[in-house]
Amino acid sequence: DTEVTQTPKHLVMGMTNKKSLKCEQHMGHRAMYWYKQKAKKPPELMFVYSYEKLSINESVPSRFSPECPNSSLLNLHLHALQPEDSALYLCASSFKRYNEQFFGPGTRLTVL
Amino acid sequence: TQLLEQSPQFLSIQEGENLTVYCNSSSVFSSLQWYRQEPGEGPVLLVTVVTGGEVKKLKRLTFQFGDARKDSSLHITAAQPGDTGLYLCAGVSGAGSYQLTFGKGTKLSVIP
Repeated sequence: DTEVTQTPKHLVMGMTNKKSLKCEQHMGHRAMYWYKQKAKKPPELMFVYSYEKLSINESVPSRFSPECPNSSLLNLHLHALQPEDSALYLCASSFKRYNEQFFGPGTRLTVL
Repeated sequence: TQLLEQSPQFLSIQEGENLTVYCNSSSVFSSLQWYRQEPGEGPVLLVTVVTGGEVKKLKRLTFQFGDARKDSSLHITAAQPGDTGLYLCAGVSGAGSYQLTFGKGTKLSVIP
């Protein structure tokens, strides 16, 4: 199984809503990532979890809150987002040696 | 700050033609990955190169890592419409690093 799954595929939310994005992998990877990608740009790293501990937070606003309940699951909790947060949110996982990152299909988020 | 310069930014060719995409940096990378991304989807890992001078082939795609591990190229032979997409190179700066440095991408269109 070389798949990273993400739900939901699409999400539309208002600025006062609270929602969560979910990511799952069963490849035994111990590093998991959240990226944000705007149109026509490469992915931008948001958070890295290594062995279920947050190891990198790229100065992301607190309205984005990551959570890693176990080695297979990664969540991104969203609250009070702004329209400029609309983007494709990508989850990835990797095996440490060469950091080959495997990406999920993404969640297309629209904030109204 | 490490940078990966990817060129060309856009490429539109006829089916059956050959093409090369370049990824260059002044920094050394411990490994380099190539991804292909369709609109609205996550990047799909095509290959990882780790050894200077390494050449890997994936059907009609040939990937090369420069001897000094600062640059890489992707060559596609006899391009097909199914090759259309955004090609991204991404480098890992050091062993154990979790961060990928992405190039800005090459948007390839193969016209039937």
